[in-house]
Amino acid sequence: AQKITQTQPGMFVQEKEAVTLDCTYDTSDQSYGLFWYKQPSSGEMIFLIYQGSYDEQNATEGRYSLNFQKARKSANLVISASQLGDSAMYFCAMREMGNTDKLIFGTGTRLQVFP
Amino acid sequence: DVKVTQSSRYLVKRTGEKVFLECVQDMDHENMFWYRQDPGLGLRLIYFSYDVKMKEKGDIPEGYSVSREKKERFSLILESASTNQTSMYLCASSHYRDYTDTQYFGPGTRLTVL
Repeated sequence: AQKITQTQPGMFVQEKEAVTLDCTYDTSDQSYGLFWYKQPSSGEMIFLIYQGSYDEQNATEGRYSLNFQKARKSANLVISASQLGDSAMYFCAMREMGNTDKLIFGTGTRLQVFP
Repeated sequence: DVKVTQSSRYLVKRTGEKVFLECVQDMDHENMFWYRQDPGLGLRLIYFSYDVKMKEKGDIPEGYSVSREKKERFSLILESASTNQTSMYLCASSHYRDYTDTQYFGPGTRLTVL
């Protein structure tokens, strides 16, 4: 069964520093997609970045990059030059390209950025 | 601009009441989803629908039902609310079989059952 594991319940980082949020996944499928979402205290889920299992390059979106290591089944989110507004919950999710469009979510990591 | 709206941001109900949570999307998406979010558990799928009048159980359907009479609207129903259904409820939508696209989320409804 597919599973997403986020082992860091909370992380602290100083403003302007980079931070890595860990995500490992388990699937027997060859085709899948990995997503990261940000959830500020207001509650809405904001899509950050996507990586397909066949993508050869690591995905990047502005200050966000996804460190995809397929053999290790990891998909870590790297935030460069952290800002105070990055303080939020971050969720990793996976979709298998099978018969369903469902996402499986991890338990999340709470990131706090301090001045 | 894509939009998913939910009928209430905050809702307080009493045990035993019938509760309706409404979700509307304006993106012509085929798929719609209802999740509940609890601290330390992440998002768990309650029900989803890939077409009008179609529904499938997610991971935690017990105590819930859904209705999808129109493509843009997906309702979550708590037939008899209980205190253990106090939670944050998130609705989402996406295109059918567009695997690279994200799910788009509503702002969430924080439900308290007293």
